[in-house]
Amino acid sequence: SAVISQKPSRDICQRGTSLTIQCQVDSQVTMMFWYRQQPGQSLTLIATANQGSEATYESGFVIDKFPISRPNLTFSTLTVSNMSPEDSSIYLCSVRTAAYEQYFGPGTRLTVT
Amino acid sequence: QKEVEQDPGPLSVPEGAIVSLNCTYSNSAFQYFMWYRQYSRKGPELLMYTYSSGNKEDGRFTAQVDKSSKYISLFIRDSQPSDSATYLCAMESGYNKLIFGAGTRLAVHP
Repeated sequence: SAVISQKPSRDICQRGTSLTIQCQVDSQVTMMFWYRQQPGQSLTLIATANQGSEATYESGFVIDKFPISRPNLTFSTLTVSNMSPEDSSIYLCSVRTAAYEQYFGPGTRLTVT
Repeated sequence: QKEVEQDPGPLSVPEGAIVSLNCTYSNSAFQYFMWYRQYSRKGPELLMYTYSSGNKEDGRFTAQVDKSSKYISLFIRDSQPSDSATYLCAMESGYNKLIFGAGTRLAVHP
């Protein structure tokens, strides 16, 4: 298994500002992902965080809005830039282990006012 | 048509009941199947992981995959109030992208 921590756990931000979310895993993993879960909805993949190279974004998500860093095999950050109320959501870090199991962090609950 | 269909519920059962949660899918390339449990205001917790067809049992939980029918199920025996949560099915074809169902809300009442 993998234990994932995220910071911050929640935040309230003003429109037009940016927030960086940190994800730390207790072991080295090859695959790290960032998801968004809007209230009452299922999970949507934002991007795959690649170590040593640019993240791979899903359709509808762009690097300028959601820049991602992955400096090593245990850590990643997601920035939500130039926020609007539509960005209010839960942002989840996820990792896949060598056994092909995928685990999720506790999430960061973001409210944009 | 969505790639993964899951009845959102809510499903309400008495304590001790057997619960059946189901998902159907359209992509025959899916070969990895997972069930997650998500409590309110928490991240999803991996419950069961199955590769290809067949059954897998873990305590009170049994996961079934029928690839010929493109249908997966999660059974919970002797359900408890602590099982009240949203259950999400997820599946993947091997290209590193999990596709999730909408999630089924389950309430187990004493």
